[in-house]
Amino acid sequence: GENVEQHPSTLSVQEGDSAVIKCTYSDSASNYFPWYKQELGKRPQLIIDIRSNVGEKKDQRIAVTLNKTAKHFSLHITETQPEDSAVYFCAASSGDSWGKLQFGAGTQVVVTP
Amino acid sequence: EAQVTQNPRYLITVTGKKLTVTCSQNMNHEYMSWYRQDPGLGLRQIYYSMNVEVTDKGDVPEGYKVSRKEKRNFPLILESPSPNQTSLYFCASSPGAEQYFGPGTRLTVT
Repeated sequence: GENVEQHPSTLSVQEGDSAVIKCTYSDSASNYFPWYKQELGKRPQLIIDIRSNVGEKKDQRIAVTLNKTAKHFSLHITETQPEDSAVYFCAASSGDSWGKLQFGAGTQVVVTP
Repeated sequence: EAQVTQNPRYLITVTGKKLTVTCSQNMNHEYMSWYRQDPGLGLRQIYYSMNVEVTDKGDVPEGYKVSRKEKRNFPLILESPSPNQTSLYFCASSPGAEQYFGPGTRLTVT
């Protein structure tokens, strides 16, 4: 089955700097890669996703890149702000089975003013 | 308002006492899932359902049961809870890709 590894487990950045979180996956059939943000005490919420036919996707200060050959994808947050402090989860899924989603272990991001 | 609801939100119970956590969505989504969240382990899928009467195991199904008799409801059943099932549980529904999570149920089994 699919295995998703996520690094680092914690990331501390100064406000205004960039943050990068990396994930690797094992199943070459995976073709959908979402990123979820979970603020303290809240439920996870989708912030950006990418499908395998695209190499990069941007949405304001966040971007995701995908390297299918190397089986890794990354989340980039630019100009970090205190409200970016949260746990971020990557995930992978095959479009043949939308129901089955494999999450990484999460990255605790702390943005210090 | 489109939403996923879970009940109860908090539950403390004892080993072996059967319990059910309910999950309901009003978005007419086909897919529904249950996850448990434990520190350092992320979100692990317990069971998922592709439609009414269609369910399949996730990564950690042992000790859990589910049913999907109606499209909107997907209850999680612990027939004989044990302390290692103490966790934060999330239900989610999805139209195909994006998961919409419920507010979570914090379960403690003593």
